[in-house]
Amino acid sequence: EAGVTQFPSHSVIEKGQTVTLRCDPISGHDNLYWYRRVMGKEIKFLLHFVKESKQDESGMPNNRFLAERTGGTYSTLKVQPAELEDSGVYFCASSPGGTGRTGELFFGEGSRLTVL
Amino acid sequence: GNSVTQMEGPVTLSEEAFLTINCTYTATGYPSLFWYVQYPGEGLQLLLKATKADDKGSNKGFEATYRKETTSFHLEKGSVQVSDSAVYFCALTLSGGSYIPTFGRGTSLIVHP
Repeated sequence: EAGVTQFPSHSVIEKGQTVTLRCDPISGHDNLYWYRRVMGKEIKFLLHFVKESKQDESGMPNNRFLAERTGGTYSTLKVQPAELEDSGVYFCASSPGGTGRTGELFFGEGSRLTVL
Repeated sequence: GNSVTQMEGPVTLSEEAFLTINCTYTATGYPSLFWYVQYPGEGLQLLLKATKADDKGSNKGFEATYRKETTSFHLEKGSVQVSDSAVYFCALTLSGGSYIPTFGRGTSLIVHP
């Protein structure tokens, strides 16, 4: 069974440009999460999808960030325009829905974003 | 709010040394506690968990006991190996809630031969 996959693994862009990160969760997982880790700091929650609906987006930093989950499958996180402080590693995770939830999340390898 | 505090790293040990990584938490309600590990070039994966006070989670020689009285969940291993070199994250979720984990900042472990 394929795990959570993220693309790209590393992106280097200039301030003011746009970047789109993609996450493919484990097939059948209703829950999809985005997190961000700035160098050496805690992994911060950004938002949570249940299928195609945003369940909780309280962690989104500002309106330069837009997340979508088309048809309840893969998800994209767009940063437009990017600022220097957006640099970090963006993690995507997924988990089963309903009674399959145990609190365990399954993570991708992360997308490292560097804004110059 | 909910938060997790971990000891700062990196922790550098020789092979076969004893490991302790401290983790304390603040939570409203009754959390479940987790340790995740991120090996180089990989995503985070669950290492162990405990869902109620006095429970002990264990896996791959690692252990952690849920201590409600000290709000702690310290990770221990009796004899580390070079292959244990990784970043370790302590996390909590609130039972019956949204199951969205709150993570600590991670502790890097470096084990030398």
